[in-house]
Amino acid sequence: QQQVKQSPQSLIVQKGGISIINCAYENTAFDYFPWYQQFPGKGPALLIAIRPDVSEKKEGRFTISFNKSAKQFSLHIMDSQPGDSATYFCAALSTGNQFYFGTGTSLTVIP
Amino acid sequence: NAGVTQTPKFQVLKTGQSMTLQCAQDMNHEYMSWYRQDPGMGLRLIHYSVGAGITDQGEVPNGYNVSRSTTEDFPLRLLSAAPSQTSVYFCASRGIGTAQRDEQFFGPGTRLTVL
Repeated sequence: QQQVKQSPQSLIVQKGGISIINCAYENTAFDYFPWYQQFPGKGPALLIAIRPDVSEKKEGRFTISFNKSAKQFSLHIMDSQPGDSATYFCAALSTGNQFYFGTGTSLTVIP
Repeated sequence: NAGVTQTPKFQVLKTGQSMTLQCAQDMNHEYMSWYRQDPGMGLRLIHYSVGAGITDQGEVPNGYNVSRSTTEDFPLRLLSAAPSQTSVYFCASRGIGTAQRDEQFFGPGTRLTVL
């Protein structure tokens, strides 16, 4: 059973556009929600993260929006660039100290 | 600081062969994990360890063994490789203190093909 559901599976965006990736979770015992960025042939790397007591977190062009009541969170990439082309994973950390990952979104930014 | 290192980077095995994937970290992290990454399935936890001498099963442990004799090293053993174990394997580490438990560091991965 997938604890964290992620969509879309793939996304193509024009340079300068906004990329939006969505995740939803069921378990209320999650207390930390990170997004990871993975380039081909590399391991995932932490991009940005949020805790459930905050509704939004922004770091440069990357923003997480968090809706606790709907159990949903999303990643917004503003002014998307070709260098943002990568696979993005959402995740949730349980109070039992285990990470659960979404299935990933392959983002392609067209110049 | 090398972070999390994994060897080998690529490996091809025949069905039934055994091998060990190596993982080491130099950040003095207590918590280490092994994940496998398959298309459309994200990252799935195989085994994890919260410190030397302590290991436990994750979501998909069958066919894999682990041990943790030191804080730095966490090898993953495939006992009798099967084609279903063809995947990319990632080792990860993090601290367990309140301020450290959140950020997980991943190694570069091992791409394994079982024929």
